[in-house]
Amino acid sequence: AQKITQTQPGMFVQEKEAVTLDCTYDTSDPSYGLFWYKQPSSGEMIFLIYQGSYDQQNATEGRYSLNFQKARKSANLVISASQLGDSAMYFCAMREGGNQGGKLIFGQGTELSVKP
Amino acid sequence: GAVVSQHPSRVICKSGTSVKIECRSLDFQATTMFWYRQFPKQSLMLMATSNEGSKATYEQGVEKDKFLINHASLTLSTLTVTSAHPEDSSFYICSARDPGLAGAYNEQFFGPGTRLTVL
Repeated sequence: AQKITQTQPGMFVQEKEAVTLDCTYDTSDPSYGLFWYKQPSSGEMIFLIYQGSYDQQNATEGRYSLNFQKARKSANLVISASQLGDSAMYFCAMREGGNQGGKLIFGQGTELSVKP
Repeated sequence: GAVVSQHPSRVICKSGTSVKIECRSLDFQATTMFWYRQFPKQSLMLMATSNEGSKATYEQGVEKDKFLINHASLTLSTLTVTSAHPEDSSFYICSARDPGLAGAYNEQFFGPGTRLTVL
């Protein structure tokens, strides 16, 4: 069963507008972490933001915020004031607690294109 | 943040040859490294977990005789694609886990990736 699901293969957003990238997850582990990474065409993985399962507040990092809805098992990424440099692939990932040894499980990714 | 390097960044080889990719943690000792494979516009798929001094743990469906992993030191893990064929052409990314940050959100650092093309 897919543990991390990103249902938007591609998204377009106008420069300076906000965009939400969807991510749902599935786990029975009460302790887990959710990550968002940006991957530009160069291929490097750039960490954006993290949300722990026990965190009470939604994570924010500059223009990035994570809309964490635990009951719905969703962890959507919101990018405010989009910039042309935001065009890239975006991946949601989960790390389960317990004895998983730090493995990250990635979603399918969303390709974001920012229009001028 | 910590730095993880990969070498080479790009490699082109003939079908049937073997290719070795190195993953190094430059400023910390990584007891665990992970190897991922990524096809264009697709997700990162975990291939195996590499533990220093012990055998790698391969994910289901990954041929261990095809993708040899050696984690001989605390700063180096290697992935060897044996008898490579065109379908092995892909982007291979490693990540290294800093045991000093175990459990923290930033415990894992990614290498820049290696693009393998098999002709």
